Amino acid sequence: AQKITQTQPGMFVQEKEAVTLDCTYDTSDPSYGLFWYKQPSSGEMIFLIYQGSYDQQNATEGRYSLNFQKARKSANLVISASQLGDSAMYFCAMSTTHQGGKLIFGQGTELSVKP
Amino acid sequence: DSGVTQTPKHLITATGQRVTLRCSPRSGDLSVYWYQQSLDQGLQFLIQYYNGEERAKGNILERFSAQQFPDLHSELNLSSLELGDSALYFCASSAYGGHPDEQFFGPGTRLTVL
Repeated sequence: AQKITQTQPGMFVQEKEAVTLDCTYDTSDPSYGLFWYKQPSSGEMIFLIYQGSYDQQNATEGRYSLNFQKARKSANLVISASQLGDSAMYFCAMSTTHQGGKLIFGQGTELSVKP
Repeated sequence: DSGVTQTPKHLITATGQRVTLRCSPRSGDLSVYWYQQSLDQGLQFLIQYYNGEERAKGNILERFSAQQFPDLHSELNLSSLELGDSALYFCASSAYGGHPDEQFFGPGTRLTVL
């Protein structure tokens, strides 16, 4: 069965520092994708970054990068130079070819950025 | 703005009632997904439609039903509501409805059952 695990319910980071949010996944499907979403207190889901299982390089989008370690089945999100506006819930999610487009989400990590 | 619209934004109702949540996908997207976010269950996939046809079903209760209309908008119907149905309901859309389509989420409908 497909599963996403986020083991950090809450994290604190100092403004301007980098932070890593952990995500491990489980699937037997060789073709899958991993997504990270941000959910601020206002509630909307904001897409941040995507990594495909066959991608050779780690994905990057501005201050966001994904540390993809396929053998360890981990897809950690790295946020560089944290800003106060980064305070939010962060969700890791997965889709697989055999499961179609539906997303399976982890429990989320609440990130708080301190000034 | 993701381009996905959901109405209403907030809904307060009583146990036993029936409500309808509405979603309009991004222009050009053929697939619509419904997700439920609650404190105890987290974010769960409910159901997916592609071009009017049901494509995948998740943890959707029998009291819940959905459909996608010819103009591609979708409705999620929740009936015989219980306190535990209180949650944030998201609609998302994608172009083709398969992996690894990016899904664009609407702002959600917050349902409160009293």
